[in-house]
Amino acid sequence: SQQGEEDPQALSIQEGENATMNCSYKTSINNLQWYRQNSGRGLVHLILIRSNEREKHSGRLRVTLDTSKKSSSLLITASRAADTASYFCATDDTGGFKTIFGAGTRLFVKA
Amino acid sequence: DTEVTQTPKHLVMGMTNKKSLKCEQHMGHRAMYWYKQKAKKPPELMFVYSYEKLSINESVPSRFSPECPNSSLLNLHLHALQPEDSALYLCASSQPGQHYGYTFGSGTRLTVV
Repeated sequence: SQQGEEDPQALSIQEGENATMNCSYKTSINNLQWYRQNSGRGLVHLILIRSNEREKHSGRLRVTLDTSKKSSSLLITASRAADTASYFCATDDTGGFKTIFGAGTRLFVKA
Repeated sequence: DTEVTQTPKHLVMGMTNKKSLKCEQHMGHRAMYWYKQKAKKPPELMFVYSYEKLSINESVPSRFSPECPNSSLLNLHLHALQPEDSALYLCASSQPGQHYGYTFGSGTRLTVV
C-alpha cells in the first residue's frame, strides 16, 4: 500500500494564485520529498525536508512537516501556467531506503 | 535533459518477445531503482540495487528481472509480458545516506500487444 496519501486529488486555480497540497503518511520517516511530474514524463525532485525540520523554502515553494500529525504541505506561491503538473509526496521510512510515493495531486493552472 | 538516461523511450512488444530496458547514470550514485507507473497513478517500486545488493518488491512477477552490470548501469529484462504490464517504466538513482532525493530518468513507455 502507498505510504502517502495526498489531497486534494485535483486542484484548478488561476495564474497568480497560490496552490496548497497536503500529504499524510503512516510510519516514522527519515525525510519527506516532493516531486513534480509533467504528463507522461519522469519525475523531478523539488524539495526534501528532514524529519527534524519543520519548514523549508525553495524559490516559490514552501514545505511544512508536522511529524506529530504525520503530515506535510506544499505551497506554490504566485502560480504560473507552467506549474501545471502532478505533484507527489514521497517518504523514506526509518526501516529502510525505499521511497514510497503518495497518490498525487493534479494541479491545473489556468492562464 | 536529466542525468539518468533511459533507453528506449518507447517500446512496443508482443507477449512472446524478450526485450530489455536500459538505464545509466554517471553521478556516482550507489543506489538505482526501477519503478512502474500506470496512467494517473503514483510510481510503484519494483526493484532496488543499493551497493550492488538487490531488494525486490515481492508483488513483482518473475517475467521482470533486473540486472546491475555495474554501479552505473541498471537493466530490466522483460519476458512473456502481459497487456496489463503496459506502463511507464521509470529508472531513478540516489546516493544512500544523502538527503538529496532521487534523480529520475524520462522513462520508457512500454506497450504490450
